[in-house]
Amino acid sequence: AQTVTQSQPEMSVQEAETVTLSCTYDTSENNYYLFWYKQPPSRQMILVIRQEAYKQQNATENRFSVNFQKAAKSFSLKISDSQLGDTAMYFCAFRGSNSGYALNFGKGTSLLVTP
Amino acid sequence: GAVVSQHPSWVICKSGTSVKIECRSLDFQATTMFWYRQFPKQSLMLMATSNEGSKATYEQGVEKDKFLINHASLTLSTLTVTSAHPEDSSFYICSARDPRTDGNEQFFGPGTRLTVL
Repeated sequence: AQTVTQSQPEMSVQEAETVTLSCTYDTSENNYYLFWYKQPPSRQMILVIRQEAYKQQNATENRFSVNFQKAAKSFSLKISDSQLGDTAMYFCAFRGSNSGYALNFGKGTSLLVTP
Repeated sequence: GAVVSQHPSWVICKSGTSVKIECRSLDFQATTMFWYRQFPKQSLMLMATSNEGSKATYEQGVEKDKFLINHASLTLSTLTVTSAHPEDSSFYICSARDPRTDGNEQFFGPGTRLTVL
């Protein structure tokens, strides 16, 4: 079974600064998807960014970018120009090609953006 | 993005009663929906995969007779917690796979908070 590890339970960053959240995973598959989801206090899950394993180029979405290291099985999320609205739980998730599209989530990182 | 609704958003029930939670894809047809459970300050744990027109696939350790899942149409899946007990109190989240999207993206409902007294 695949495991997803987020080693930072809590992080804090000042507004306008940059922060990086780490995620590692374990799999024997070659084709898979990786995701970062945001869960604000409302608890609505919001997709932040997605990376297909077969793509070498790191995904970017505005202020959010990933550093995908397939050989190291690492998938970190960088948030640039942090905003107060970025305060939330961030979950890294893995979706294998044989999982029936189900997501396997890490334990999450609680990010606090301070003024 | 696509919209997924859940009803009710919160429910309080007495121990021993059954509770039904609905998950609807509002603007797309979802052949596959998922049910997750989230305890306070913890991650989402997949309970089961709900496939339209067929039996749900339950994850190891999830009692299928306690958590009944019905996916009778392409836009509706229901989770019924039977004979609920206080330990079933949790936040239940559904998601629906949109086959129209690149990568078969999952869209999440807003969740249902269940409290069993």
